[in-house]
Amino acid sequence: QKEVEQNSGPLSVPEGAIASLNCTYSDRGSQSFFWYRQYSGKSPELIMSIYSNGDKEDGRFTAQLNKASQYVSLLIRDSQPSDSATYLCAVTLDRGSTLGRLYFGRGTQLTVWP
Amino acid sequence: GAVVSQHPSRVICKSGTSVKIECRSLDFQATTMFWYRQFPKQSLMLMATSNEGSKATYEQGVEKDKFLINHASLTLSTLTVTSAHPEDSSFYICSASGVGQANQPQHFGDGTRLSIL
Repeated sequence: QKEVEQNSGPLSVPEGAIASLNCTYSDRGSQSFFWYRQYSGKSPELIMSIYSNGDKEDGRFTAQLNKASQYVSLLIRDSQPSDSATYLCAVTLDRGSTLGRLYFGRGTQLTVWP
Repeated sequence: GAVVSQHPSRVICKSGTSVKIECRSLDFQATTMFWYRQFPKQSLMLMATSNEGSKATYEQGVEKDKFLINHASLTLSTLTVTSAHPEDSSFYICSASGVGQANQPQHFGDGTRLSIL
């Protein structure tokens, strides 16, 4: 079973606050981890990718991966109204016929209010 | 960066029509392309995986005779929705990955919104 679970949301934060998005995955063979942002009516766009345990920072975004706990998170600092979107957690496995396939969570809808 | 172009962006047609959607990788060779469908307020659902030069692998519950996938070149894959009906109305999105990129971020097309009347 290859499940990716996200906190259901919706999540609402004020402008300037930190938004915290969480994701857990069930398959310990998960190899690569991604956060995508999807605006309504648009296709997903990559925000962060992370492959090893620890933190990875890119501007206002920080991804955290803990493979022992099978947990990956995304922190958005200084949240802006333009960050309002659905955030999708996705993982890939490292083997066989599923190589390269993305397994998506259901997404967390984030609203940043001014 | 890598770009995937998807066309058309929107289709509105009558029930019974067949609709072809194209997905092109513009600056890399896409050995694998993925086709997704997304219904309102739901996550992406993988329909099929296609590798260049071979038959597509369909997910359980996806009718291969209804959703025809062709991946004849390293830069183009097509999805044809045959005899489309209103329940096929959805947002269809393709993504692509290239040689040695299986665990790298996939590049998504802009999606095709299909509306069947």
